[in-house]
Amino acid sequence: AQKITQTQPGMFVQEKEAVTLDCTYDTSDQSYGLFWYKQPSSGEMIFLIYQGSYDEQNATEGRYSLNFQKARKSANLVISASQLGDSAMYFCAMREGLITGFQKLVFGTGTRLLVSP
Amino acid sequence: ETGVTQTPRHLVMGMTNKKSLKCEQHLGHNAMYWYKQSAKKPLELMFVYSLEERVENNSVPSRFSPECPNSSHLFLHLHTLQPEDSALYLCASSQDSQGPNEKLFFGSGTQLSVL
Repeated sequence: AQKITQTQPGMFVQEKEAVTLDCTYDTSDQSYGLFWYKQPSSGEMIFLIYQGSYDEQNATEGRYSLNFQKARKSANLVISASQLGDSAMYFCAMREGLITGFQKLVFGTGTRLLVSP
Repeated sequence: ETGVTQTPRHLVMGMTNKKSLKCEQHLGHNAMYWYKQSAKKPLELMFVYSLEERVENNSVPSRFSPECPNSSHLFLHLHTLQPEDSALYLCASSQDSQGPNEKLFFGSGTQLSVL
């Protein structure tokens, strides 16, 4: 069975600094997708970044980048130049089965990030 | 208008009540999902509807009954719930295009408390 592990329940960072949120995964599939979502206190899950298992380049989206190390089965999220609005829960997720059309995601337990002034 | 709207935002109900959660998406998507988010646990996929047909039911107790009357609306009917069913219930939608990077769009959830 596929599994996502996020070992950091909470992280602190100062404004304008970079922070790395850890994510490791376990799967026997050769084809898979990895996602990061942000959940602010409002509750809505917001998509941040995607990495496909066959993508050769690490994904980047603005201040977000994904440090993808396939051999180590890790997909860490790097947030550069942290802002106060980055304070939220962050979830790593993996897509199970790339054949079906709909998205069947397995989520980790999340990391709470607190950005201080 | 937000892409995925859930109502109500908060719901308190007794174990003998019957209530319904509503989700509406304005994104033209054809797949809709119910997730349960309990404290300190990963999100759990409950149901998936693709093209208005239920395609996934993750061993959810029958006291939860989903309904998808059209591609824009999704309901979760609740009856005879237990206190352990208290959680944040999130609705999501996506475009069923078989693209591996197709992302989910979530609503803000309904915070349910069962007394």
